[in-house]
Amino acid sequence: EVQLVQSGPEVKKPGESLRISCKASGYIFTSYWIAWVRQMPGKGLEWMGIIYPGDSDTRYSPSFQGQVTISVDKSISTAYLQWSSLKASDTAMYYCAKYATGGYAYGSDYWGQGTLVTVSS
Amino acid sequence: DIQMTQSPSSVSASVGDRVTITCRASQGVKSWLAWYQQKPGKAPKLLINVASNLQSGVPSRFSGSGSGTDFTLIISSLQPEDFGTYYCQQTNSHPLTFGGGTKVEIK
Repeated sequence: EVQLVQSGPEVKKPGESLRISCKASGYIFTSYWIAWVRQMPGKGLEWMGIIYPGDSDTRYSPSFQGQVTISVDKSISTAYLQWSSLKASDTAMYYCAKYATGGYAYGSDYWGQGTLVTVSS
Repeated sequence: DIQMTQSPSSVSASVGDRVTITCRASQGVKSWLAWYQQKPGKAPKLLINVASNLQSGVPSRFSGSGSGTDFTLIISSLQPEDFGTYYCQQTNSHPLTFGGGTKVEIK
């Protein structure tokens, strides 16, 4: 059974760093793209970026380039989303999502449960 | 970036009604379009990819069509469990942008 299990909720202060995780199981981790998607409170879905765990090929949305870092640890089938200096505007739910067989063009067929990040002084 | 525009932003319909949601891309995306359903407090669920390919386990009352810049998601006979917000996403080119969403409510 394919599962993406994300790390728990985080409460941070502005300026702090953070890394959240997405542990994959039930499929060959290195063979499928994984994306990160932001959903701000009461708002829609925003595609942040994507990584191919096999070779760490990473693409970012221009809106998030330089603001976050996406990475993977193949040895533990885990993807990460990282901030070096959080802002209050980073408060949101963050989802990881695996792309379907055939590549990212086929959409995200499995999603994590989401990680709520709250940034407040 | 390719902009995705959904309409309507919300719809309220009765059980059994036909519901149509449209998604327009700012430039052509061939058939590389996916539709998702999101229920409150839950992760999105992939309903359709490649514009019209229904995912396994998704009821046949859902259908998708279109290519190029104009796409449609139809719920042929709305059921109580179909409430939620529906999003389109173009998967043709990076960044893989989402539409703004259409909230479906049951009257």
